[in-house]
Amino acid sequence: NAGVMQNPRHLVRRRGQEARLRCSPMKGHSHVYWYRQLPEEGLKFMVYLQKENIIDESGMPKERFSAEFPKEGPSILRIQQVVRGDSAAYFCASSPEDVWGGYGYTFGSGTRLTVV
Amino acid sequence: RKEVEQDPGPFNVPEGATVAFNCTYSNSASQSFFWYRQDCRKEPKLLMSVYSSGNEDGRFTAQLNRASQYISLLIRDSKLSDSATYLCVVEEDDSWGKFQFGAGTQVVVTP
Repeated sequence: NAGVMQNPRHLVRRRGQEARLRCSPMKGHSHVYWYRQLPEEGLKFMVYLQKENIIDESGMPKERFSAEFPKEGPSILRIQQVVRGDSAAYFCASSPEDVWGGYGYTFGSGTRLTVV
Repeated sequence: RKEVEQDPGPFNVPEGATVAFNCTYSNSASQSFFWYRQDCRKEPKLLMSVYSSGNEDGRFTAQLNRASQYISLLIRDSKLSDSATYLCVVEEDDSWGKFQFGAGTQVVVTP
């Protein structure tokens, strides 16, 4: 009964390259949430997705960032033309379809993106 | 003003002692509150939910004060393994589980 799986654990990209972060939710979970944690800061909400739908992307930067959660496969957070300020830990969480926030949710172990 | 504010600490606590710290939130309509624990920048893990009546889980006690808009966490009989950063989490919106995280309070338990 695997938890929320994120890969890669560590990702190094040069400025201007693309970063693709993957998140496989827990079995039976159809809601995925992405958060970003900058050094010495708290987690910031980025986007909430359900299968094939973006429900809330109010935390996503307007440019270069996109997310998807296809019918099959993991959720993908894509960052195009990365800059040094994108260096952060990106955490994914998931929840079952019929559970709303009152119960909290489970995070994956995160992807640490370093832009050099 | 940040929506969720925490004293960053560190709170240096002798083993066996009690430590308590608060978190303030700005959205008076918030309905759900949690404490998460984060070790060395690993993934946050749910420690406990915070109920209006206050709740206890072993050595951990959480309280909610709606009038003053803060929640608290108290750790009794501190263990070395309690050393971590404790994140205050407030649910922003009732329609789905969108969380606002505080930046965390660091607790260091010393022998």
